[in-house]
This record gives sequence, C-alpha cells and structure tokens, in this order.
Amino acid sequence: AQSVTQLGSHVSVSEGALVLLRCNYSSSVPPYLFWYVQYPNQGLQLLLKYTTGATLVKGINGFEAEFKKSETSFHLTKPSAHMSDAAEYFCAVKNGGTSYGKLTFGQGTILTVHP
Amino acid sequence: GAGVSQSPRYKVAKRGQDVALRCDPISGHVSLFWYQQALGQGPEFLTYFQNEAQLDKSGLPSDRFFAERPEGSVSTLKIQRTQQEDSAVYLCASGGFETQYFGPGTRLLVL
Repeated sequence: AQSVTQLGSHVSVSEGALVLLRCNYSSSVPPYLFWYVQYPNQGLQLLLKYTTGATLVKGINGFEAEFKKSETSFHLTKPSAHMSDAAEYFCAVKNGGTSYGKLTFGQGTILTVHP
Repeated sequence: GAGVSQSPRYKVAKRGQDVALRCDPISGHVSLFWYQQALGQGPEFLTYFQNEAQLDKSGLPSDRFFAERPEGSVSTLKIQRTQQEDSAVYLCASGGFETQYFGPGTRLLVL
C-alpha cells in the first residue's frame, strides 16, 4: 500500500522568501512522484514529476523537487516566492513500472504568500 | 478541446436524488480516472478505465456509485440516491502511463 504525508497543512511565507513544502511517501515498489497545484475552484495542474533518472527535477513556475530515496522524501522548493504562488499544493505517488497507476495523494498544503 | 472538461461545474441535489457527472477526456487518451475530493482533503481514487473497460473500481464507496465509458471516450459517473456525505468535488483525469491531466471538477452539494 502507498501513502503520502505532507507535513504542515498551512505554510506562510513572505514574498521573495524561500518556499519549502514537505512530502514523505511510503511505497513498496519504486515510486513515481508528483507535485500538483490547485487554485481555487480549479482542477489540479501538474507542477513536476519524478519517474526515473535524475533525482532533482525542475518544474513550471520556478519550482523544483528532489527525490531522496534514503529519506523517502520529495520536498518541493522555490527560491523566491511570488504572490501568484498562493494556492494549495498536493504531493502524490503511484507505482512505477506498472501499466497504469492510480495516484495516492497527500492531504495538501495551503501556501500563503504575504507582501 | 485542449484539456479535460467536466460538466456540470456545480450541482446541487436534494438528498435521495440521482445525479450524473460527465467527463470529456483529452482526445486520444486511453486512460481515464475518477477521483473524489472532500472539503479540505486530497483527492481519493474512485475508478479507472482503459478505453471502455473499467479495470479498477476499488475506490467506489458504495453500490450507489456507478461509472461508465461506453465508447472509450466520454465517461459518466452516476450517483444514485445521493446522501449528504456524497458532497465533494469529483475530479476526472485522463492521460498516459506517467502523467494524469485533471479537469476542473464538478462540485456536488447534497442538501
């Protein structure tokens, strides 16, 4: 069984500050890992994903995440927060190497950016 | 269309009514997923289609929930005799092996 834990349901940063959203996963097989962003009354938009290969992955809007197998983590970072980054962020995991995979999501982290 | 579309975007139902939620996936996408997102929670898997075949319905919470994709494109999620606990956002996603693309969701409120 897979699971995802996002530490911190709410994170607040100042504009221009570092953004760090934490995600830890549990998976019995090599995972594929994803970060999605959800703006109010909208669906989920893919920010970035890790499947295989390079463990540091870069996504849209300046976000990046690093897969650390030894720590079972996939934390999301952005060097400098922008007001438009305010949204809810979801980490998700699926089984790698299968023909399809349902996503298992964390509970989400709401990011607030203060001017 | 360029993305996944869902209709209606909002639905208010009286307890006991039946509802039908529609999903139009990205053209050519074989895989289609339905998820349920309760308020303040992450999405939870309901069911999966590969073309017209429903290969996994392990997430459907009760036999009141039924999904179909008869021609391998548009999908409908039907909820019979709605209950208040069915109130949630229902998300549809289509995609390939690695990535799922989500629609805007249907927000269902059962009164």
